[in-house]
Amino acid sequence: EVQLVESGGGLVQPGGSLRLSCAASGFTFGSYEMNWVRQAPGKGLEWLSYISSGGNADSVKGRLTISRDNAKNSLSLQMNSLRAEDTAVYYCARRVLDGPFDIWGQGTMVTVSS
Amino acid sequence: DIQMTQSPSTLSASVGDRVTITCRASQTISTWLAWYQQKPGKAPKLLIYKASSLESGVPSRFSGSGSGTEFTLTISGLQPDDFATYYCQQYNGYSRTFGQGTRVEIK
Repeated sequence: EVQLVESGGGLVQPGGSLRLSCAASGFTFGSYEMNWVRQAPGKGLEWLSYISSGGNADSVKGRLTISRDNAKNSLSLQMNSLRAEDTAVYYCARRVLDGPFDIWGQGTMVTVSS
Repeated sequence: DIQMTQSPSTLSASVGDRVTITCRASQTISTWLAWYQQKPGKAPKLLIYKASSLESGVPSRFSGSGSGTEFTLTISGLQPDDFATYYCQQYNGYSRTFGQGTRVEIK
């Protein structure tokens, strides 16, 4: 079964850091671009970052760093200097070649609060 | 950055209704547009890609159209399972931005 499973969310204080992970299974992970999307409580979807199959990355948020380990079928998102507005459910998603996001994880909740 | 604007933000409809949601891009994106359905507490689900191609397994009452900067998602014969929030997404170039969403609620 093709699957993405996020982990690493939780409660973190403002200014803190957190590293999210996304474990992929059921497909050739290294062949796909991967993305992170977040959704604040009661709000819409916000695309954050992508990383190509070859490891080229782009991000719209300077405090976020996306990385991948194709040997471990794993995607990561390092988040630094966290703020209350970073509170959200974070999803990883697979992108088909030159296309949309066809597979999504179930999401992991990050809460930034003192 | 390409901005995506959906309308309306909320739509009230009844079972059996034909429903249309519009998505506008701030610059031309050809047909690099997808539509997703999201239910509370769940991940988004892909419905339509390349503006008008139906994802495998998605009911044929869902259809998409448009190109350039104007796109529509139509649900022909709304079913109880269709009450949800719908998002458009452009994937032209290096950005993959979403619209703000349209909530389809029961009238």
